[in-house]
Amino acid sequence: QLKQSGPGLLKPSETLSLTCAISGDSVSNYNAGWNWIRQSPSRGLEFLGRTYYRSKWYNEYALSVESRITINPDTSKNQVSLQLKSVTPEDTAVYYCARDLGFHDFWGQGTLVTVSS
Amino acid sequence: QSALTQPRSVSGFPGQSVTISCTGTSSDVGTHNWVSWYQQHPGKAPTLMIYDVNKRPSGVPDRFSGSKSGNTASLTISGLQTEDEADYYCCSYAGSYGWVFGGGTQLTVL
Repeated sequence: QLKQSGPGLLKPSETLSLTCAISGDSVSNYNAGWNWIRQSPSRGLEFLGRTYYRSKWYNEYALSVESRITINPDTSKNQVSLQLKSVTPEDTAVYYCARDLGFHDFWGQGTLVTVSS
Repeated sequence: QSALTQPRSVSGFPGQSVTISCTGTSSDVGTHNWVSWYQQHPGKAPTLMIYDVNKRPSGVPDRFSGSKSGNTASLTISGLQTEDEADYYCCSYAGSYGWVFGGGTQLTVL
C-alpha cells in the first residue's frame, strides 16, 4: 500500500514537497522502482521520475522537470519523497506515487496540488 | 522524450471488440517489452490491465489482450461491457529517462 501526504496548495515559486509511505514492501526492494507521476487535463499522465536500489541508489528524471526535481528514498521510514522547485500554475495536477516492477502495479491515492497566487 | 501517441477516443457497442493503438519510437516501444496498459475511471487512480506487452495480472478478464508490432503497441478489448467505459493509457520504458505514457484514449460503450 502507498499512502501519500503533503500540502495541496502552493504559491508560484514555492517548492512542492510530497511523501509516499510504503507498507507491504521495502523501498530497498531490488526489483522495484518508486515513481512519481502526475496527471492534469492538459498533459495526461506524465512520468516525473523514480528512484530504485540495485546495490546502490539510482534516479531517473523526466527531461521536462530534470532541473527542478529531487526524489529521495528514506530507508529508516520506508518512504520516498518528491521535491519540485519553483512551481508555476503549469505544475497544478494530481500527483501519484507508484511502484514499478517493470509495470506500475500499485498506486497511491493521489494528491491534488494547486499552484495559485 | 515525447508522449506516446494514442487515439483520443474510440467507441463500440456491447459485445463488440475495440482496439486502441499506442505509437512510440525505436527508443521506447520499439526497443523495450516493458509496455503496459492502464484503465482509469473518473476520480480514481489508474489500474494495471496489461504488462510486458501481453500479460494479464490476475483478476483482469481475458477479454483484455495486448500485442506489439514494431513501434506500435495495441490493446484489444473483446466482448465489450458497459463497465469497460473508461480512459486507457499505454506506457513504455524509455531508457535512462524512465517511463513515457500515452496521451490517453477515452472508450465509450454505446
